[in-house]
Amino acid sequence: GENVEQHPSTLSVQEGDSAVIKCTYSDSASNYFPWYKQELGKRPQLIIDIRSNVGEKKDQRIAVTLNKTAKHFSLHITETQPEDSAVYFCAPRAGGGSNYKLTFGKGTLLTVNP
Amino acid sequence: NAGVTQTPKFQVLKTGQSMTLQCAQDMNHNSMYWYRQDPGMGLRLIYYSASEGTTDKGEVPNGYNVSRLNKREFSLRLESAAPSQTSVYFCASKHPAPGELFFGEGSRLTVL
Repeated sequence: GENVEQHPSTLSVQEGDSAVIKCTYSDSASNYFPWYKQELGKRPQLIIDIRSNVGEKKDQRIAVTLNKTAKHFSLHITETQPEDSAVYFCAPRAGGGSNYKLTFGKGTLLTVNP
Repeated sequence: NAGVTQTPKFQVLKTGQSMTLQCAQDMNHNSMYWYRQDPGMGLRLIYYSASEGTTDKGEVPNGYNVSRLNKREFSLRLESAAPSQTSVYFCASKHPAPGELFFGEGSRLTVL
């Protein structure tokens, strides 16, 4: 199965700074790379994703970059705000109709200090 | 359109008691999942159902059973609850392409 690691496990930044979270995976067949955000006491929700035929995707202050050769992808948050404080999870997945076993990283707790 | 609905939201059990967590989705998704979330452990997959009529074990299936009742509903049963099963449980369904997971609000279970 897929081995997924996230780093760092915790990250504290000042409001306005940038934050970067990295996710490494083991399955070279992975072709879908999402990031989920979970606010305290809430459910995880998708914030951005990327497919393997794209190296980078941006949506306002968040972006995801992919390095398939090195088998890692990263979440970038610029101009951080207190409402970005949450736990972030990656969940890379191999494609095809048979891969349904979805493994999450252990999460990164991001704290944005005002 | 409610998305994914889980019940109950909170439950306290005594060791050895049984209970069933219910999950229903109204998005016509084929695949459904049960995860448990513990501090520092992320989301761990208990069981999943790729389609109606099929179920498979995830990372941590021991002590649990599941039933895919129909396309909408996927239930998780604890036959004899143990304190180690104290956790927050999330049900999810998967959009077929590209594969986004939609989660329920979670069920917080405490086993005394």
